[in-house]
Amino acid sequence: AQRVTQPEKLLSVFKGAPVELKCNYSYSGSPELFWYVQYSRQRLQLLLRHISRESIKGFTADLNKGETSFHLKKPFAQEEDSAMYYCALITSYDKVIFGPGTSLSVIP
Amino acid sequence: DTGVSQDPRHKITKRGQNVTFRCDPISEHNRLYWYRQTLGQGPEFLTYFQNEAQLEKSRLLSDRFSAERPKGSFSTLEIQRTEQGDSAMYLCASSRSGEQYFGPGTRLTVT
Repeated sequence: AQRVTQPEKLLSVFKGAPVELKCNYSYSGSPELFWYVQYSRQRLQLLLRHISRESIKGFTADLNKGETSFHLKKPFAQEEDSAMYYCALITSYDKVIFGPGTSLSVIP
Repeated sequence: DTGVSQDPRHKITKRGQNVTFRCDPISEHNRLYWYRQTLGQGPEFLTYFQNEAQLEKSRLLSDRFSAERPKGSFSTLEIQRTEQGDSAMYLCASSRSGEQYFGPGTRLTVT
């Protein structure tokens, strides 16, 4: 079965603290994984994709095929990082399967 | 704004009525997707077009739902005989390949 899980619905961290948003996936093929972010009153937008191996807004994510994970990390959280984060998997037919999302709140 | 647009942004309808939503993708994007999002959940895939061809439909898309993309540009999603369970945010996205660009969504409330 193709599935994306995000175990934390809510995550609160203090400003300046490290943050890790967990994502696990189930997919029989070679996965292509993304993190999408939705800031308050804005549309869903791509944050990063694993094949580009880049850091966006200080966030990084590494695909671990052994653990079937794609956790999102940032060493020092900022208040503007408060948002809804969705991990997503794209299948070979370009169908995207989203996780349920994690709401990140950065406390000043 | 040359992003994905959706119309209307909000729709309130009575149970049993038909509704139609429109999505205008980014002009050079040949792929168009519809998703449904309910409270506390991530977007759920409904259907996908490549140009005017509807290539995949989710089993979530019951017989009351139909989507079209007649000229490979804008798309419509129609829900017939709406039910309260249809209340959700309906999202449209477009892409050329890989990254999908999302519209603002249409929030449907069925009373």
